[in-house]
Amino acid sequence: GAVVSQHPSWVICKSGTSVKIECRSLDFQATTMFWYRQFPKQSLMLMATSNEGSKATYEQGVEKDKFLINHASLTLSTLTVTSAHPEDSSFYICSGWAALEQYFGPGTRLTVT
Amino acid sequence: AQTVTQSQPEMSVQEAETVTLSCTYDTSESDYYLFWYKQPPSRQMILVIRQEAYKQQNATENRFSVNFQKAAKSFSLKISDSQLGDAAMYFCAYRSGGATNKLIFGTGTLLAVQP
Repeated sequence: GAVVSQHPSWVICKSGTSVKIECRSLDFQATTMFWYRQFPKQSLMLMATSNEGSKATYEQGVEKDKFLINHASLTLSTLTVTSAHPEDSSFYICSGWAALEQYFGPGTRLTVT
Repeated sequence: AQTVTQSQPEMSVQEAETVTLSCTYDTSESDYYLFWYKQPPSRQMILVIRQEAYKQQNATENRFSVNFQKAAKSFSLKISDSQLGDAAMYFCAYRSGGATNKLIFGTGTLLAVQP
């Protein structure tokens, strides 16, 4: 199957700083990628749809100025959490479609201290 | 709007036994796809099985099979000969057949496998 990578797998940052998470489709091209947030023992919550070469589409209630998404190429999407606060601590997952299957990255654990 | 409901927060099964996880969904569309994903402790999402709504035949992948009841909007997952490695969170998901390709997830069922 197709492979999606994420970097870093775990990041700790101080409150008020920004952190960037990279999502790469290694063996397929993705015009659209998705960013999810997941709290422990809960489901995946879609945050935004990342569109190559255009603006991301954010789900209702997601602050677009706080969660900046850039989809600069067909294989790379980035999520930047700006001015991070402890409540932003979570597990972030990206994904992309290849054929009729959505492939997920391994996730990034963000801890804001 | 489409919704996906998993009414079993937790399930338990003995090794080598069979277990069925329930999923219902609500939609007014006729063209759509349904999925079961597994999320083990590593938290890597893994596709278990996919069902196209236009197909009457239930999908099967080795020990995993579904019971797709389109009229009842039900999509249950049966795991046969359960193995310790099947222990995970299982999510049911819906995707529209149209241009919108977002996945809508259920709340998940945590499956424990007892040795």
